[in-house]
Amino acid sequence: NAGVMQNPRHLVRRRGQEARLRCSPMKGHSHVYWYRQLPEEGLKFMVYLQKENIIDESGMPKERFSAEFPKEGPSILRIQQVVRGDSAAYFCASSPKTGNTGANVLTFGAGSRLTVL
Amino acid sequence: DAKTTQPPSMDCAEGRAANLPCNHSTISGNEYVYWYRQIHSQGPQYIIHGLKNNETNEMASLIITEDRKSSTLILPHATLRDTAVYYCIVRVPGPGNEKLTFGTGTRLTIIP
Repeated sequence: NAGVMQNPRHLVRRRGQEARLRCSPMKGHSHVYWYRQLPEEGLKFMVYLQKENIIDESGMPKERFSAEFPKEGPSILRIQQVVRGDSAAYFCASSPKTGNTGANVLTFGAGSRLTVL
Repeated sequence: DAKTTQPPSMDCAEGRAANLPCNHSTISGNEYVYWYRQIHSQGPQYIIHGLKNNETNEMASLIITEDRKSSTLILPHATLRDTAVYYCIVRVPGPGNEKLTFGTGTRLTIIP
């Protein structure tokens, strides 16, 4: 039972290029979350998606960032025209369908580290 | 979600019990206490959660005070691999409130 799979683990881009980060949730999980961690800082929520729906994007920067979770395939976090300030670790998490049971545990992937030159 | 307060850092000797406190004095009746940790450069890892009763699993124990205004995560026999940042998060689980909001946590260092 594979965990949350993220790729690439490391990505180097030059300023102005596009970065695409992929996340495959755990089997049976229908909810995906993206978090960003800047160097020496805490984890910041970016976006929460269900299949084909963005549920909460309150943490997404207004420009250049987008996320999707299609019916088939992994979730994609896309950063257009990257800048040096986008250099960070991007973590994906998944969870099963939520309910009021108290569990609601998020399982995180190992992260994708983006370096912008 | 209720605000939590944790000490920024703690040390613990290897083999001893590590007791990590968390204050959540504004917690409401239906909010759960969750603990996660992040070992350096890795993704956060779920440890344990509880509502009002004390909980224990293979990783740790969670002690919640009777008034629920504070809790303690206990790692019974700390090892060097337990060195990490530990996050205490309080929230109501369920539709519309699925995301976790991480604070600054406690940086626990296990001393050989």
